[in-house]
Amino acid sequence: DAKTTQPNSMESNEEEPVHLPCNHSTISGTDYIHWYRQLPSQGPEYVIHGLTSNVNNRMASLAIAEDRKSSTLILHRATLRDAAVYYCIHQSSSGGSNYKLTFGKGTLLTVNP
Amino acid sequence: DVKVTQSSRYLVKRTGEKVFLECVQDMDHENMFWYRQDPGLGLRLIYFSYDVKMKEKGDIPEGYSVSREKKERFSLILESASTNQTSMYLCASSLSGFNQPQHFGDGTRLSIL
Repeated sequence: DAKTTQPNSMESNEEEPVHLPCNHSTISGTDYIHWYRQLPSQGPEYVIHGLTSNVNNRMASLAIAEDRKSSTLILHRATLRDAAVYYCIHQSSSGGSNYKLTFGKGTLLTVNP
Repeated sequence: DVKVTQSSRYLVKRTGEKVFLECVQDMDHENMFWYRQDPGLGLRLIYFSYDVKMKEKGDIPEGYSVSREKKERFSLILESASTNQTSMYLCASSLSGFNQPQHFGDGTRLSIL
């Protein structure tokens, strides 16, 4: 299974930027990097995904290292509503499992007022 | 916005009962998924469907079956509920093709007594 490594928890202050790191040293050339988050009592929510280039959307930015063995999810201005567990996933393109997302334990982000 | 609706937020059933969990999506997505989420184990894929009447086993299909008679509806069936099936069940949907974001419902917390 595709494996990622993330810190168990991180803390931020409201309205400050947050950089959530992820290591995925076993990633292969065609695997995408996905980020999801899960707020308390809700299902996971898609945040962003990318392959090689940095990506931006209305929720966040994704910075991918040149060797693709790590990536960083950037929340530009954290709000209290961003407090959640953030999951970094690399989706394997091999065999018949290219639809599968393998969720790890994620990073619990706490946002202080 | 995509909406994935699970029929119940909380459900309590007895050992040996046949249990039906229902999921409906409103965005004409081809793919639908059932996961379960347990503390310390993350999300694990039970079954996946890529078209009406089509299904594939995920990582932990034992004790479960699924039904997809209509494109918008995907049902998870516990043939004979057991206490080790007490869990949070999450349904998701996505467009067909590799790397499409998955959209999740808010989950059904199922307790088997």
